[in-house]
Amino acid sequence: GQQVMQIPQYQHVQEGEDFTTYCNSSTTLSNIQWYKQRPGGHPVFLIQLVKSGEVKKQKRLTFQFGEAKKNSSLHITATQTTDVGTYFCAGKKQGAQKLVFGQGTRLTINP
Amino acid sequence: DSGVTQTPKHLITATGQRVTLRCSPRSGDLSVYWYQQSLDQGLQFLIQYYNGEERAKGNILERFSAQQFPDLHSELNLSSLELGDSALYFCASSVGLAGRSGETQYFGPGTRLLVL
Repeated sequence: GQQVMQIPQYQHVQEGEDFTTYCNSSTTLSNIQWYKQRPGGHPVFLIQLVKSGEVKKQKRLTFQFGEAKKNSSLHITATQTTDVGTYFCAGKKQGAQKLVFGQGTRLTINP
Repeated sequence: DSGVTQTPKHLITATGQRVTLRCSPRSGDLSVYWYQQSLDQGLQFLIQYYNGEERAKGNILERFSAQQFPDLHSELNLSSLELGDSALYFCASSVGLAGRSGETQYFGPGTRLLVL
């Protein structure tokens, strides 16, 4: 079945450092979504990427969708303590009903 | 606040028991999804309903069942509970089917289940 792998599982950085999480799918995706879950909270939708090679930015966050539509990344520039949380990617195969979530990358930040 | 409500927030029960978790989707959303999140784990998709009908199934145990009612709220029933069922259970909703692009899922606050 479809699998979505996310690395790293954990990342600890100093405040102000950059952070990147990577998402890889075993199958070609029709779209990929990114969610953020703060400690003790619920996942919150950040963004969706649909086109091959698409790049989207939200302030310090940059999201990329690979040319083959099998991988994606989220890069945070100059992390802040408010960025703490677990970042999930979630991909959907063409024609499939369900969104498959990656295992998430937990980001902790040393102030 | 996502607009998705879940009750109860916390549930403590014993092994072998049965519990029901309830979810009300955002106003206008027809799809409801259930996820299980164990400690330090990702989101495991359990099941999806669309307008009252089951649309997709994940790794849902036979001891678990769900339904979506005519008013679109959904219930997840967990029976013969085991220690390993302790987890956070999230409900999410979306406007339509996940099969289309643009179907953002809005998550509820979750129900934390502890089986002793």
